[in-house]
Formats: sequence, C-alpha cells, structure tokens
Amino acid sequence: GEDVEQSLFLSVREGDSSVINCTYTDSSSTYLYWYKQEPGAGLQLLTYIFSNMDMKQDQRLTVLLNKKDKHLSLRIADTQTGDSAIYFCAEKRADGLTFGKGTHLIIQP
Amino acid sequence: GAVVSQHPSRVICKSGTSVKIECRSLDFQATTMFWYRQFPKQSLMLMATSNEGSKATYEQGVEKDKFLINHASLTLSTLTVTSAHPEDSSFYICSARDTGRTGTGELFFGEGSRLTVL
Repeated sequence: GEDVEQSLFLSVREGDSSVINCTYTDSSSTYLYWYKQEPGAGLQLLTYIFSNMDMKQDQRLTVLLNKKDKHLSLRIADTQTGDSAIYFCAEKRADGLTFGKGTHLIIQP
Repeated sequence: GAVVSQHPSRVICKSGTSVKIECRSLDFQATTMFWYRQFPKQSLMLMATSNEGSKATYEQGVEKDKFLINHASLTLSTLTVTSAHPEDSSFYICSARDTGRTGTGELFFGEGSRLTVL
C-alpha cells in the first residue's frame, strides 16, 4: 500500500531496550526520520538516516535500515520514563514527508 | 537548533467565531511551511502547504475557505479557522523547512495549538 506502517503500541520495562519498527513504501526515499512527540506537544526530530546507510548510532539511539525490505527500526537503549512518548517514522518522498501513525511507547516501572 | 514557535498553544472559542494560529520560524527562513491536524491517537494529517508569497496548496478534502492560510513573510505563516464549529476542535501543528538547508529535507515542528470550539 501507500502507507508508512508502525505498530500502535509498545510496552517495555524501565531499563530495557525498546525497538520500534516501521515499514515504508518508496524505495527511492533518500532520507528516513524518527520524530518524538510528547503529550500535548509538537514533534521533535530525534534522528534521521540517509538511504545509503544501514545503521546510525547516536548515544542511546540506534537506527537500522534494511532497504531491501523497506524496514526501519529505532532502538532506544536503557529506556527511561522520559522516553514515554509517541514515535513517528517518516519517509522523504518527492512531494514531502509521509508519516506513519506513530507508536506509543509505554514504560513500565 | 532551528526553532519553530506556534501561538497560541491553547484556544477556546465559541461556535461561529474565527481563530487565528501563528507559526513562526525564529532563527531561520522558511519559504515553505506545512499545516497539520492531529486527531487523538492518530497520526498527522497534512492539511496544506504554505508557500511564501503565493497561495497555499490544500490537500484533497480540506476546505480552503474554511482554513485560510497566509504566508506573508519568510518567517511567518498563519492559519485562520473561520466560522469554527465543534468538529473543528483538534490539535493543529505547523512545521517549517529551513530554506538554507534543504538537503536533508527535515522539518522543524511547532509545539502545536489545541483548539476547542464550544
């Protein structure tokens, strides 16, 4: 289909790693993004990856890209309560960014 | 980093009145800004693309006479919800693309404006 797909919810224990998955559709997308939205706030760019890369690491965040399967993932190491938010993946298409529906990350104590 | 300021963050109005929401890029110029609407627990729905000095481009199904967009300068776009009704109650978010660095295509988002129409 034409949608960027994500699971709606992910629940993890504090201190564990969170892995949020996303599948996109346009094989010609040059950039893929992860945005974070905290309650009642706008979106904050967390990280992005260029399509010729398969991995990008930034402190606790690791982005993996599988272009063959059009699969993008975001791993958050040592998940904290402050990581509780909605995470959107997005792909850059010719007509702009297309967002997934967002994954609610729920942190259990 | 690039900052986008949106105002007001919350507004409550009576049915039939008009409400204006401002979106400003504080430390960069943006020839293109985007307006989104977000329903609870749902993703962003692109409403329109705001272009500095020209008419906005509206997505299919979005009434241009209902949602007036003005992008009068390189740092300001406004969305006016005219004759608001309760079904217009929503979270409206703007974003802007830094004209000076379009390579990555990343968007910078405002904090959003929650509109409640009574």
